[in-house]
Amino acid sequence: DAKTTQPNSMESNEEEPVHLPCNHSTISGTDYIHWYRQLPSQGPEYVIHGLTSNVNNRMASLAIAEDRKSSTLILHRATLRDAAVYYCIPTWDMRFGAGTRLTVKP
Amino acid sequence: ETGVTQSPTHLIKTRGQQVTLRCSSQSGHNTVSWYQQALGQGPQFIFQYYREEENGRGNFPPRFSGLQFPNYSSELNVNALELDDSALYLCASSLAMSGSGNYNEQFFGPGTRLTVL
Repeated sequence: DAKTTQPNSMESNEEEPVHLPCNHSTISGTDYIHWYRQLPSQGPEYVIHGLTSNVNNRMASLAIAEDRKSSTLILHRATLRDAAVYYCIPTWDMRFGAGTRLTVKP
Repeated sequence: ETGVTQSPTHLIKTRGQQVTLRCSSQSGHNTVSWYQQALGQGPQFIFQYYREEENGRGNFPPRFSGLQFPNYSSELNVNALELDDSALYLCASSLAMSGSGNYNEQFFGPGTRLTVL
């Protein structure tokens, strides 16, 4: 199984960019890298996913290293509503790790 | 479009009992996954069903079993409940393409909070 490493927690100021890193050095060559987040008292929700190229959507951007052993989720302007636990999942069967708890300060 | 729903919302059982949790997939989805989330931890993958067949299983004992029905709704059954089974149980559905190991976005339900006394 792909081993995933994320910081336990990060802090950001409101309206500043946030870069959430993830190491997945044993990722399979065909598996997508998924990012989900879980707001307090809710089920996880999809943020973004990619395979090799960088990806953008309305919520975030995903930068994937050329060797695919790491990726970075980028929130361009953090808001208070972005405070959540962010999970990087580099496996087809969606095995979550402990994630990164993001705190956004006003 | 109806989202993923789960029932019941909360449940209290005693050790040794059996429990069945239910999940209705989002319309058009053919894959359902179940997760257990203990307090303060990330969701732990229990198993996944694709077109009524188990399609992957996490590190959970056989007393955790499941079913997926022709309408793609699903049940999670847990026998011989233990105190450590107390957790939030999450169901997620997605649309998987035949022959592909790379699955699309999963949509999670709100979960069932199970308390075992």
